[in-house]
Amino acid sequence: EAGVAQSPRYKIIEKRQSVAFWCNPISGHATLYWYQQILGQGPKLLIQFQNNGVVDDSQLPKDRFSAERLKGVDSTLKIQPAKLEDSAVYLCASSSFRGEAYEQYFGPGTRLTVT
Amino acid sequence: GESVGLHLPTLSVQEGDNSIINCAYSNSASDYFIWYKQESGKGPQFIIDIRSNMDKRQGQRVTVLLNKTVKHLSLQIAATQPGDSAVYFCAENRRTGFQKLVFGTGTRLLVSP
Repeated sequence: EAGVAQSPRYKIIEKRQSVAFWCNPISGHATLYWYQQILGQGPKLLIQFQNNGVVDDSQLPKDRFSAERLKGVDSTLKIQPAKLEDSAVYLCASSSFRGEAYEQYFGPGTRLTVT
Repeated sequence: GESVGLHLPTLSVQEGDNSIINCAYSNSASDYFIWYKQESGKGPQFIIDIRSNMDKRQGQRVTVLLNKTVKHLSLQIAATQPGDSAVYFCAENRRTGFQKLVFGTGTRLLVSP
């Protein structure tokens, strides 16, 4: 079974530029998560989708971050404009509709550096 | 506030030793606790979990202990191997209408041959 795919793996941008990350979850997984992981810290949930609907986006900085999951499969996370403090690894995870939140499978992440 | 944290940021052990990684949590309503292993350049990988109504669970070379009285979670790795070198995170599963994982800050395990 293929795992969670993410691209790009690395991205370097200047502050105030925009960037987008892509995630393809495990086939059949209805729930998709985006996490932000700052160096030395644990992942922090940004947004959770159930199919193509948002379940939780309470920790998403909505003034600059946006995410969508069209057709309930792939998802994109966008930052516009980026700030220095957005430098982090952005992880995507997915779980099956009947799975529990802890049955999450993580992708390799996208490492973002904002200069 | 609500948080999941770790006591030791770095743990260095010799190959073959047993390792113990600790975690403190503060949310009594969490129903599951999970340990993840994260190697450099990879996403977190599930190791073992434990329900809140249990106090011990064993897997292959790993044991998780849960002490709800003091809100403490530990991961024991037997006969630690160089391949166990990674950052280990504890996470708690909170149910607030929907389910949400809250991660701690991690402990780096360094295994010397």
